[in-house]
Amino acid sequence: DAMVIQNPRYQVTQFGKPVTLSCSQTLNHNVMYWYQQKSSQAPKLLFHYYDKDFNNEADTPDNFQSRRPNTSFCFLDIRSPGLGDAAMYLCATSAGGQPSALHFGNGTRLTVT
Amino acid sequence: AQKITQTQPGMFVQEKEAVTLDCTYDTSDPSYGLFWYKQPSSGEMIFLIYQGSYDQQNATEGRYSLNFQKARKSANLVISASQLGDSAMYFCAMSLNTGNQFYFGTGTSLTVIP
Repeated sequence: DAMVIQNPRYQVTQFGKPVTLSCSQTLNHNVMYWYQQKSSQAPKLLFHYYDKDFNNEADTPDNFQSRRPNTSFCFLDIRSPGLGDAAMYLCATSAGGQPSALHFGNGTRLTVT
Repeated sequence: AQKITQTQPGMFVQEKEAVTLDCTYDTSDPSYGLFWYKQPSSGEMIFLIYQGSYDQQNATEGRYSLNFQKARKSANLVISASQLGDSAMYFCAMSLNTGNQFYFGTGTSLTVIP
C-alpha cells in the first residue's frame, strides 16, 4: 500500500546533540510537510517542500532544518535539541496544487534528556 | 492571516447518539479546503472528510458528515451513531489553494460513554 513512513517511531537524544528524523513516501506526492505536535496541542507546521522548493514558517526556530534529496525522502534535522523540543514530529504529504488531504506518517516521538 | 477555531476543548456523547463538533474558519482566499482528522491516543492522524469551498453539497463519509455553512464560515463535523472507538482528538483543518499551507485548529477531545 502507498504510504508515509517515519523512522524511528521513538527517538531519544541528549540535550544539544544533533538528531535527524526521516520520512519516506510511496505516494509520489509533490508536497512534504513537517509538523511538531506537543501534548494536547494542535500540530504546528514547521516547514514544507513543494517539489524542491523549501517553505519555512516564519516562527520556525533556526535550530530546525530540513532536507529533501528526492521526491520520496525528507529529513528533519534538529541541530541542538533543547528540552522544549521534546514532542511528536509528524511528516505528511499531499498532492499539492489544490486543496487536498494530507497523508500522515505515524510520527516520531522525540525525547530530550 | 488564516485561522481555524475549535471552541470545544472536550465533548462527551452517549454511545449510539449523534454528536456535533464545531469548527469556524477565517480566510479571505476564495478557494480553500476544509478537513477533519481523527487522532486516537496512539498518535496517528486519520483523515475523515473533506469539503471544498466551491462544493454545493455537504460532504458525507459513512457516519461522518460535514455541515458546511459558507456564509457563517463554519464547517462542523457530525458523527452519527457514536461508537466507543470514536473516542479521540478531532482536528479541523484548512488548506488554501494558493500556498500549500495546511492549518489546524486546537482540537476537540471526544469521549464516547458506554
